[in-house]
Amino acid sequence: ETGVTQTPRHLVMGMTNKKSLKCEQHLGHNAMYWYKQSAKKPLELMFVYNFKEQTENNSVPSRFSPECPNSSHLFLHLHTLQPEDSALYLCASSQVGPYVYTFGSGTRLTVV
Amino acid sequence: SQKIEQNSEALNIQEGKTATLTCNYTNYSPAYLQWYRQDPGRGPVFLLLIRENEKEKRKERLKVTFDTTLKQSLFHITASQPADSATYLCALPGGSNYQLIWGAGTKLIIKP
Repeated sequence: ETGVTQTPRHLVMGMTNKKSLKCEQHLGHNAMYWYKQSAKKPLELMFVYNFKEQTENNSVPSRFSPECPNSSHLFLHLHTLQPEDSALYLCASSQVGPYVYTFGSGTRLTVV
Repeated sequence: SQKIEQNSEALNIQEGKTATLTCNYTNYSPAYLQWYRQDPGRGPVFLLLIRENEKEKRKERLKVTFDTTLKQSLFHITASQPADSATYLCALPGGSNYQLIWGAGTKLIIKP
């Protein structure tokens, strides 16, 4: 365990389904992130939350909807996804400066 | 625009030898640079951080150098072992809110 817990580890969903990814950290970090990682591509930043406030939305389609109810929990709500959204979704947290990230184990998402 | 380059081809090294990975960056003057290790299907794990005023940093069998003139960092694993096989990512602070910007990673394969 890294201190950042992601559930579920694997998810298969149809294009019309609605599902949510969950991330939890108890490291006392005040920043949390969602990343998408596709095969042989760099990590793609999706969303950033600092002190529960969203500070970055990296041109992510509206079918991905983040939620940060408190500084320890982060959700990614998914609806009407496309097959190209299949990827490893990673949650990370960090303290302010320098930004050393602690990642969760990720959710392997497959859209069918 | 800011760019980070890591060798996209896998690096094959014989067990016991030193593995050297390269991270080059452009349009950038980072205050520090980080290296992470990522195993298949898992989130990256932080290894080392080196600051701009440090030329070299060591941790057990790991050594990182940081040349701000060449805009390059080298990551060395001495006495390499098959368990060192993984993808290694470099990351630098950038973008808004000083989030990390990531290289695509280099896959390292240590052969027995």
